[in-house]
Amino acid sequence: NAGVTQTPKFRVLKTGQSMTLLCAQDMNHEYMYWYRQDPGMGLRLIHYSVGEGTTAKGEVPDGYNVSRLKKQNFLLGLESAAPSQTSVYFCASSYLGTAGINYGYTFGSGTRLTVV
Amino acid sequence: SQQGEEDPQALSIQEGENATMNCSYKTSINNLQWYRQNSGRGLVHLILIRSNEREKHSGRLRVTLDTSKKSSSLLITASRAADTASYFCARAGAGSYQLTFGKGTKLSVIP
Repeated sequence: NAGVTQTPKFRVLKTGQSMTLLCAQDMNHEYMYWYRQDPGMGLRLIHYSVGEGTTAKGEVPDGYNVSRLKKQNFLLGLESAAPSQTSVYFCASSYLGTAGINYGYTFGSGTRLTVV
Repeated sequence: SQQGEEDPQALSIQEGENATMNCSYKTSINNLQWYRQNSGRGLVHLILIRSNEREKHSGRLRVTLDTSKKSSSLLITASRAADTASYFCARAGAGSYQLTFGKGTKLSVIP
């Protein structure tokens, strides 16, 4: 049982280049999330999805796009990378238990992205 | 906005000592969760405490929750070098599938 898998693990981009980060989960979770983690800033939510075919903006969505064409996959795209997008990106998934209780997230191991 | 805030930001203790980290929040919760992050890795779920619970144990972990003060604490007893990591609290609001994370406490356990 792999849980949440993120690819790639590391990437260096030049300013203006584009790329897609892939997140795959095998737990049949409905909810998926993309976070970025920067020193001193904690985790900030970029985009999230409550099910296949749905996406929504989080706290810091500018410069990013997402897609959830299949329930198990959640893609994060950078159309024109900027140095401010240098960060560690984490994907997570979750489900809601009875009475709508969020029992916790399962995180991937992260993608370290550097934009030069 | 991030409503779960941990205190202290950093903590350094000797192996065998207890480590206590605190978390404060601003709005009502359904439950509060604690996560650990080892350097360069993803966050790992440690323990969940519901709003109607006051204390919960899991191995060497003890979590308390005071909803009147909107605060929680995580106690790690008899710490080990392997406990060195950052610890985050995350708040689950009533009826919400989203968690709001704090900025974390960086714990260093010195052998």
